[in-house]
Amino acid sequence: GQQVMQIPQYQHVQEGEDFTTYCNSSTTLSNIQWYKQRPGGHPVFLIQLVKSGEVKKQKRLTFQFGEAKKNSSLHITATQTTDVGTYFCAGRSRDDKIIFGKGTRLHILP
Amino acid sequence: DTGVSQDPRHKITKRGQNVTFRCDPISEHNRLYWYRQTLGQGPEFLTYFQNEAQLEKSRLLSDRFSAERPKGSFSTLEIQRTEQGDSAMYLCASSPSRDNEQFFGPGTRLTVL
Repeated sequence: GQQVMQIPQYQHVQEGEDFTTYCNSSTTLSNIQWYKQRPGGHPVFLIQLVKSGEVKKQKRLTFQFGEAKKNSSLHITATQTTDVGTYFCAGRSRDDKIIFGKGTRLHILP
Repeated sequence: DTGVSQDPRHKITKRGQNVTFRCDPISEHNRLYWYRQTLGQGPEFLTYFQNEAQLEKSRLLSDRFSAERPKGSFSTLEIQRTEQGDSAMYLCASSPSRDNEQFFGPGTRLTVL
């Protein structure tokens, strides 16, 4: 069945360093969404990517959708303590199934 | 508060008991989703509704699970004869339509003893 793999599972970075998480789908996606979940909280929507090769930026966050619409990445520049949390990708297949990745837990070292 | 609400926030039950959770989506959101999340995992899709119609059920949803959205507004998720493996956070999310962002509720944490 359809799978969405996300790596790495954990990432520890020094405050100020960059961070990247990658998402790979076994099937072509119609779109991909990214969510952030703080410890003890619920997932909060960050962005949606729809077009092949699309790149979107939100301040220090850069999101990319691969040309084949099977992979995506989230890059954070100069991490801050407020970036702590787990970042999930959620791929929507062409038959309308939504599969979340297992997430990348970001820990910031002061 | 105009966000998604879920009730109860916590539920502790004994194995074999039935439990029911409620989700109130954002008003006028057509789509309502149920997910299950365990520690260290991403949300696992269970089922979703387009208005009152249940359009898809995951294979994770055994016969012990049933969900309803009778008037296309709030939804309930019932688990019959609970098992310890049902212990998880049950998340509800709503969306205005198919390709929009999902707004998640705070979840109901179920503990089956």
